Amino acid sequence: GNSVTQMEGPVTLSEEAFLTINCTYTATGYPSLFWYVQYPGEGLQLLLKATKADDKGSNKGFEATYRKETTSFHLEKGSVQVSDSAVYFCAHKLSFGAGTTVTVRA
Amino acid sequence: NAGVTQTPKFQVLKTGQSMTLQCAQDMNHNSMYWYRQDPGMGLRLIYYSASEGTTDKGEVPNGYNVSRLNKREFSLRLESAAPSQTSVYFCASSALGQGYNSPLHFGNGTRLTVT
Repeated sequence: GNSVTQMEGPVTLSEEAFLTINCTYTATGYPSLFWYVQYPGEGLQLLLKATKADDKGSNKGFEATYRKETTSFHLEKGSVQVSDSAVYFCAHKLSFGAGTTVTVRA
Repeated sequence: NAGVTQTPKFQVLKTGQSMTLQCAQDMNHNSMYWYRQDPGMGLRLIYYSASEGTTDKGEVPNGYNVSRLNKREFSLRLESAAPSQTSVYFCASSALGQGYNSPLHFGNGTRLTVT
């Protein structure tokens, strides 16, 4: 079946620190992969996506590369800001990971 | 540009009461979805509608019914609410069927408490 596993949080970082959130998936075929972000009190919104193997999605300083050989789509940002505090979800097809809560301290 | 609009934003029900959650999208999307979000469990799909006139069960359909009223609207009904249905409910839509390659657009959610 289809499933997504992402690293458990919560994750607490200082401003300008490096962020990585691991995500692996199981799927039939090679579906598009997505990262969504949820700010407090809001719905999820698309952060970035990749549609095929070796594609790199990027947005707002975040990046993720579609790795077919390791079935992974890890999210990274080189220098986080307080405004990046949110819950991050990895997804493919209609399946979502459990979400990782990230808190960035000033 | 409203996107996906859900009503109500908050609701408190007593066990056994019924209610309908409303959802409408103005992006001319074909597919619509209902998810529930619970702590530590991420989002779980309740029902979806790949296109107007069709609905299918997701991962956790028990206790719910849906209606795809037209292309814009997709409602979720709880016939007899139970405390286990306390959750945050999200409606979403996507341009293409089943969200394979097109991202989901979410509403801001309905926080439901069943006492």
